[in-house]
Amino acid sequence: AQSVTQPDIHITVSEGASLELRCNYSYGATPYLFWYVQSPGQGLQLLLKYFSGDTLVQGIKGFEAEFKRSQSSFNLRKPSVHWSDAAEYFCAVGPSIYNQGGKLIFGQGTELSVKP
Amino acid sequence: DAGVTQSPTHLIKTRGQQVTLRCSPISGHKSVSWYQQVLGQGPQFIFQYYEKEERGRGNFPDRFSARQFPNYSSELNVNALLLGDSALYLCASSRGQQETQYFGPGTRLLVL
Repeated sequence: AQSVTQPDIHITVSEGASLELRCNYSYGATPYLFWYVQSPGQGLQLLLKYFSGDTLVQGIKGFEAEFKRSQSSFNLRKPSVHWSDAAEYFCAVGPSIYNQGGKLIFGQGTELSVKP
Repeated sequence: DAGVTQSPTHLIKTRGQQVTLRCSPISGHKSVSWYQQVLGQGPQFIFQYYEKEERGRGNFPDRFSARQFPNYSSELNVNALLLGDSALYLCASSRGQQETQYFGPGTRLLVL
């Protein structure tokens, strides 16, 4: 079955420190991959996406993610975290030949806390 | 350009009642998808509509239904509400069926 796993439910990092949020997926082929961020009580904002091509993708707010086919991973990184980055982060997979519709499958989310 | 808009922002209903949630997509987007997000979990896919036709349905009971109008806005209806229907309901729009989805702020439904 198609699935997305975010192993870390909650991560705390110090402001200015680097960040890596993990995402692993189970899919029959290379899917479309996304990272979304959700602030408390808000909807989801798209950070970045991977469809094909360069496996290192750049997003908004200084985030980047690297697609590693051999590890079925799409980890999100940021070199220096700001207090405003505190939020919940969701990894999602999208359409492929195994998922012809527009359905996004989300992970459970990782809550990021930033300490001063 | 305006983003995806949803109404109402909050809603309180009692068990057994019916509710209608509304979504207006980004201008030029012809596809609308609905997701349910229960507290502490990731969003779960409910429906996708493209060009006014249902193109995908998640694992939700028949109490859930939706439709898309000629202007591409959409409504999600839930009948015979249960306590477990309490959640944030998110609408997302995209240009096409398999293109990037952009989410609205959601409607928070509380069933008492």
